[in-house]
Amino acid sequence: EADIYQTPRYLVIGTGKKITLECSQTMGHDKMYWYQQDPGMELHLIHYSYGVNSTEKGDLSSESTVSRIRTEHFPLTLESARPSHTSQYLCASSERSRAGAHNEQFFGPGTRLTVL
Amino acid sequence: KNQVEQSPQSLIILEGKNCTLQCNYTVSPFSNLRWYKQDTGRGPVSLTIMTFSENTKSNGRYTATLDADTKQSSLHITASQLSDSASYICVVSDRGSTLGRLYFGRGTQLTVWP
Repeated sequence: EADIYQTPRYLVIGTGKKITLECSQTMGHDKMYWYQQDPGMELHLIHYSYGVNSTEKGDLSSESTVSRIRTEHFPLTLESARPSHTSQYLCASSERSRAGAHNEQFFGPGTRLTVL
Repeated sequence: KNQVEQSPQSLIILEGKNCTLQCNYTVSPFSNLRWYKQDTGRGPVSLTIMTFSENTKSNGRYTATLDADTKQSSLHITASQLSDSASYICVVSDRGSTLGRLYFGRGTQLTVWP
């Protein structure tokens, strides 16, 4: 099993609260990703990072923000949560791309967020 | 548009039976195709990976096939077990970006009954 961790695993909060979802990995991977997944739907990339001090927005527009101050840590923050943010958030990491590399992404267990 | 389509959307089988899941993709340029298993409330875990030149790859009771010409893949599960109940996701990677972008199918929800 991959060494990538997410906390909390479940979170129920009220509208307007600020939240931070934590993600950390101990594999020394340069690349990290945040995905959003609704039941029965595909994963959508919302943020990614090539390494320290690098953050980019993904394919799906999101009101969340991320930071990458340390290689192993990639937290996601929602300044003011709304019911539309209710979803599962998955963090992943992968090694730096090399010629012929297969870019396997290792996923954390996810955080199930419910905003009331 | 790069897409990954999976069928069936859901499947129920009895323990011990075999099943085959399908994946069609339009991702180009193609790099590799993975099948992931996602247990309820967990993150996806890679089962197999196939590159352009590979036709079949096995991992225990899981056997994946790839037809790069027709852009189709299948995942065959032999002698199913209750623990096989999960969502199986087909994921295709392109080689046109340094990110190693992944394209996800919606998954096939497999339920194995005793």
